[in-house]
Amino acid sequence: DGGITQSPKYLFRKEGQNVTLSCEQNLNHDAMYWYRQDPGQGLRLIYYSQIVNDFQKGDIAEGYSVSREKKESFPLTVTSAQKNPTAFYLCASSRSSGRGMGGYTFGSGTRLTVV
Amino acid sequence: DQQVKQNSPSLSVQEGRISILNCDYTNSMFDYFLWYKKYPAEGPTFLISISSIKDKNEDGRFTVFLNKSAKHLSLHIVPSQPGDSAVYFCAASALEGYSTLTFGKGTMLLVSP
Repeated sequence: DGGITQSPKYLFRKEGQNVTLSCEQNLNHDAMYWYRQDPGQGLRLIYYSQIVNDFQKGDIAEGYSVSREKKESFPLTVTSAQKNPTAFYLCASSRSSGRGMGGYTFGSGTRLTVV
Repeated sequence: DQQVKQNSPSLSVQEGRISILNCDYTNSMFDYFLWYKKYPAEGPTFLISISSIKDKNEDGRFTVFLNKSAKHLSLHIVPSQPGDSAVYFCAASALEGYSTLTFGKGTMLLVSP
């Protein structure tokens, strides 16, 4: 079955540490995305990538970094520069821009907590 | 500045009744709209979409209505079922270059037996 896998489901980080969230898809989608969900804030775009070796900042990219070395993978690093990293992180993928055919396919998310 | 607004954080409906979730947008370039359903600790799943060339789209119990002049869309669920209890996100996309989806803040629907 094709899908998008995020790991781990729960992650705890000490203040000042960088942490990397994994996202893998086997849908053969070109585009991948990272969103952050906070209570009452909806989904906010962090970074997105249309093709391998290329990515663009979203609305809240500060304190985050990404890479897209393979079509299937789009890891997100939450750096120590991110002031409020505790959140639910969602990865998504789509064919081209996601217009049509149901838009994006989402992973099941990673809950990051800073302790 | 929020371009997609869901002004009702929550909605309670009795089983069997109609649920109406509303969404307003400000960007006149938006021409493709989607609704996603999300359960706690899970990713959103696609529910239904509509293009601006239409004013209505149906899929089973779910119907989306689009009023372009008012920049307003709504999702109707008839009849509502307890399993419909979830957060519903409205999303929009613009036909300008490469456009990502812009999401609203969501409306939590609770359907009681």
